[in-house]
Amino acid sequence: GENVEQHPSTLSVQEGDSAVIKCTYSDSASNYFPWYKQELGKRPQLIIDIRSNVGEKKDQRIAVTLNKTAKHFSLHITETQPEDSAVYFCAASRGAAGNKLTFGGGTRVLVKP
Amino acid sequence: DGGITQSPKYLFRKEGQNVTLSCEQNLNHDAMYWYRQDPGQGLRLIYYSQIVNDFQKGDIAEGYSVSREKKESFPLTVTSAQKNPTAFYLCASSTTGSGGNEQFFGPGTRLTVL
Repeated sequence: GENVEQHPSTLSVQEGDSAVIKCTYSDSASNYFPWYKQELGKRPQLIIDIRSNVGEKKDQRIAVTLNKTAKHFSLHITETQPEDSAVYFCAASRGAAGNKLTFGGGTRVLVKP
Repeated sequence: DGGITQSPKYLFRKEGQNVTLSCEQNLNHDAMYWYRQDPGQGLRLIYYSQIVNDFQKGDIAEGYSVSREKKESFPLTVTSAQKNPTAFYLCASSTTGSGGNEQFFGPGTRLTVL
């Protein structure tokens, strides 16, 4: 089955700096890659996703890049703010096969003011 | 925070007891999922269902059971066969179809075995 690895497990950045989280996946048939943000004590919420037919997607201060050949994808957060502090999870799925998601282990991001 | 709800928020169980966690959604989603989250770890899939009266095992199904008698409901039973059930349990739902679909999560149930 699919295996998703996520690095780093913790990330501390100064407010205003950029943060980058990287994930690798094992199943070359995976074609849907969402990113979820989970604030302390709350439910995970989708912040951005990318499908295998594109290499990059942006939404304001966040962007995701996908390299299908190398089987890795990354989340980029620019101009970080204290409210970006949370745990971020990447995931992968074969979108046509029941939408089953395999999650990475998570990255705890701390933005220091 | 409407759409998908879970109850109870906190649940305490004695060893050897079965407990059932509730998950309800009014988003008209066909697919529903149960995940387990342990401290400092990612989400692991327990069971999922793409349609009423059908469900599949996820990666860690042992010691758990589910039913899907109604589109809106996907209860999870944690049985006494689950050796380490203390965890945070999250339910999710989504539409189905090719290309991948956003999963919407409930607020979770924190289960503690005494």
